[in-house]
Amino acid sequence: QKEVEQNSGPLSVPEGAIASLNCTYSDRGSQSFFWYRQYSGKSPELIMFIYSNGDKEDGRFTAQLNKASQYVSLLIRDSQPSDSATYLCASGANNQGGKLIFGQGTELSVKP
Amino acid sequence: GAVVSQHPSWVICKSGTSVKIECRSLDFQATTMFWYRQFPKQSLMLMATSNEGSKATYEQGVEKDKFLINHASLTLSTLTVTSAHPEDSSFYICSARDRRGAYSYNEQFFGPGTRLTVL
Repeated sequence: QKEVEQNSGPLSVPEGAIASLNCTYSDRGSQSFFWYRQYSGKSPELIMFIYSNGDKEDGRFTAQLNKASQYVSLLIRDSQPSDSATYLCASGANNQGGKLIFGQGTELSVKP
Repeated sequence: GAVVSQHPSWVICKSGTSVKIECRSLDFQATTMFWYRQFPKQSLMLMATSNEGSKATYEQGVEKDKFLINHASLTLSTLTVTSAHPEDSSFYICSARDRRGAYSYNEQFFGPGTRLTVL
């Protein structure tokens, strides 16, 4: 069974700190990886995707991918209280008809 | 770009009635739309994959006769919950995959969700 694993948290960081969210996946055929943010009562919104080994930066967010270790992470620099949400990691493979496999999500709380 | 809408945003219905939820891609054509269900404090559960002009593919354990999906065009998919019961109360979310992105790494754009309450 293809799985994506995340620590459910909650992860608590002080405002201005770096939040580090981690994710592992079991399917070596996975080719693309996504981080979604979901506020309570809302639907997920795409933050970033990554498909090559290494780092990808977008503003305060950096996604990291290590295919050999089957590991994906999301770093949030200068965390703000508005970043408090559940972060969902997802993986996709081109032979899966566009389906994504979601982790259970990590709840992040940024304390002022 | 990549905006997906859902209607209604919330609905309350009596047990035994049917409810239709619409999902539209507003500024792109979606080859594929997905329907998810999410219970409180749980992750997304994929219910079915919907391709324009063909029958939906349901995930294991999802009753296709209860959750009817129609994907009539590249911008519209509908989910009908038939003979709804209280245990069907949940947050239903659709997502769409951009047609241009056949190999654009599978990103999905989510609608705002529909909260269904069955009394």
